[in-house]
Amino acid sequence: DTVLTQSPALAVSPGERVSISCRASEGVNSYMHWYQQKPGQQPKLLIYKASNLASGVPARFSGSGSGTDFTLTIDPVEADDTATYFCQQSWNDPWTFGGGTKLELK
Amino acid sequence: EVQLVESGGGLVQPGRSLKLSCAASGFTFSNYGMAWVRQAPTKGLEWVATISYDGSSTYYRDSVKGRFTISRDNAKSTLYLQMDSLRSEDTATYYCARQVGAPYWYFDFWGPGTMVTVSS
Repeated sequence: DTVLTQSPALAVSPGERVSISCRASEGVNSYMHWYQQKPGQQPKLLIYKASNLASGVPARFSGSGSGTDFTLTIDPVEADDTATYFCQQSWNDPWTFGGGTKLELK
Repeated sequence: EVQLVESGGGLVQPGRSLKLSCAASGFTFSNYGMAWVRQAPTKGLEWVATISYDGSSTYYRDSVKGRFTISRDNAKSTLYLQMDSLRSEDTATYYCARQVGAPYWYFDFWGPGTMVTVSS
C-alpha cells in the first residue's frame, strides 16, 4: 500500500503562514487530496487533485506538489483553522490516507 | 444542500453481523459513486469500500473482502454496508461519503458517522 507520511502536529500563531507536508512512499501523480477534520466532526474536503480548491473553501487554503511530495498551505491562519488535516491519494490501489497533522493555534 | 446521515451502529460481539445505512439527500444519488470510510478511536482514516453510481462495480480493502458487502438502493437514495464476521479491529466510526468517480476518486461530502464497537 502507498504510505502517506505527515508530521504529527504543528503550532502556529494566528495571522502566520503554515505549510503542512505529505510525503508518499511511491509516486501518486497529482492525485492527492486534502481534508480538514475538526474535533467531533466529519472530514471536509479542502483541496482535490493537489491544487484545486473545493467549493466554498476560503482562498487562504492552497495546495501544491506532484509525484511524492505535497503541501497544504494556509495563509493567513485563523483561530477557526484548529483541526487535523489529512492527505489522501487516489493514484494507487488501495486509496490511502496520511496519519494526519494536528494544527494548534498558539 | 448535500446531506448524508448514517445509522445502524452499535455494540456487537466478535463474529456477529451488523448492517449500516446511509440516507442521502440534496443531490441526485444515482449519479454518484459512494463509499464507506472508517476511523478507529484516536486514529486516522481508512477507506473501506466503494460502489459505483449504478451498483455494477464494487471495491473493497483487502482486510474486509469476503466479510463486508457494500450495496445501494437508488430508488431510496440509501447506501448500505453489511458487515459479517466482525473483529475487534473493525471497531471505528464509519463514515458514509460521496465519491467523485474515475479517475480522481476523492470524497467530496461526508456524513457525521456512526460508531461500531466490536467487543465481547
